[in-house]
Amino acid sequence: QVQLVESGGGVVQPGGSLRLSCAASGFTFSSFGMHWVRLAPGKGLEWVAFIRYDGSNKYYADSVKGRFTISRDNSKNTLYLQMNSLRAEDTALYYCAKDPLSTSTRDKPAQLGYWGQGTLVTVSS
Amino acid sequence: IQLTQSPSSLSASVGDRVTITCRASQGISSYLAWYQHKPGKAPKLLIYAASTLQSGVPSRFSGSGSGTDFTLTISSLQPEDFATYYCQQLNSYPATFGGGTKVEIK
Repeated sequence: QVQLVESGGGVVQPGGSLRLSCAASGFTFSSFGMHWVRLAPGKGLEWVAFIRYDGSNKYYADSVKGRFTISRDNSKNTLYLQMNSLRAEDTALYYCAKDPLSTSTRDKPAQLGYWGQGTLVTVSS
Repeated sequence: IQLTQSPSSLSASVGDRVTITCRASQGISSYLAWYQHKPGKAPKLLIYAASTLQSGVPSRFSGSGSGTDFTLTISSLQPEDFATYYCQQLNSYPATFGGGTKVEIK
């Protein structure tokens, strides 16, 4: 069965960096696009970033563009989110989620049927 | 594309019919999904393509709409349905979510 396990969260000072990981199993990771979505305290879900199955296309929310980088290592079945220049408003539970379409090159997002349990990032001095 | 959900919260009783609306700032055809989220759990996909029920989701959940106006309906609210519900547009990146609707017990 599909399993997504996030790690790498923690407490970091404003301006600092953190790299999140999402270990995938139960499906052919190299065939599916992957997303990061976050939930800030007292706020709603916010879509953060997407990477195509082969890493050839990436999209970002305006709020993180230029500061966050999504990447993947298909040989390790792992998705990453490198977060730089962190701000207090980046404090959130970060989820990875799996795109439903295999080897898709479409430029539209798709519904997210599989999610991890999330890893908590706290940006505070 | 901005998504506006209403109401932001509601109180209802078990057995009630509940309707949540989601309005897009521009037309998105039927590229809309609905999710249910409970504290401490991963969000759960309920509906995609505006009205297609995800496998395993109870039939009391239904979705409708196209263009800019969409609706999620729970025909008879059950105890396990108390949660926060989000719409998400799938027409273009960034794949924005609505602000959420918290469904609480009356």
